[in-house]
Amino acid sequence: RKEVEQDPGPFNVPEGATVAFNCTYSNSASQSFFWYRQDCRKEPKLLMSVYSSGNEDGRFTAQLNRASQYISLLIRDSKLSDSATYLCVVNARNQFYFGTGTSLTVIP
Amino acid sequence: NAGVMQNPRHLVRRRGQEARLRCSPMKGHSHVYWYRQLPEEGLKFMVYLQKENIIDESGMPKERFSAEFPKEGPSILRIQQVVRGDSAAYFCASSPRVGGLYEQYFGPGTRLTVT
Repeated sequence: RKEVEQDPGPFNVPEGATVAFNCTYSNSASQSFFWYRQDCRKEPKLLMSVYSSGNEDGRFTAQLNRASQYISLLIRDSKLSDSATYLCVVNARNQFYFGTGTSLTVIP
Repeated sequence: NAGVMQNPRHLVRRRGQEARLRCSPMKGHSHVYWYRQLPEEGLKFMVYLQKENIIDESGMPKERFSAEFPKEGPSILRIQQVVRGDSAAYFCASSPRVGGLYEQYFGPGTRLTVT
């Protein structure tokens, strides 16, 4: 079983839509959780860390459910510039584990 | 504070040559990770190093690949006798620590093309 699993998509949504990505992880001892975004042929960039209480940064909301070993990312009012691949990342056993990414295309 | 630096950004090698990829972590970061990304695929962990130590190399191919992070200077990922299948983007990331809420920060990557 993979350490981190994500729905690869693709998600094609119109501008202004709300879209949610989900991610599950297998190691119950995982310590920290992140969402990264990766644009085509570029390096991954940190979008936000995910805290147990959930956290929000502008149009982005991240949630963590430790009991279900589940992480989510919600994007409200999608912009064209949100088009990218979103990577779920989990830190466990002193290593970072990456999901394969969920592809998002925001359509005008 | 400069970010993670990688060089070269693009590297072309003929089959059988050696490729050396360099990574300078962010200032104050002592943990370095190397990842490989094949076209249209996700990031694959290769190796995790601290200064002068390889902590986890479970993602490294058994042959031709090696990595180091010396006391002075950048981390080096070395690929000997390259083959076409080694063509990929190689990303380096650094972190100040592991555990807790310490994130990784990525360099711009080295795109290796084997002809």
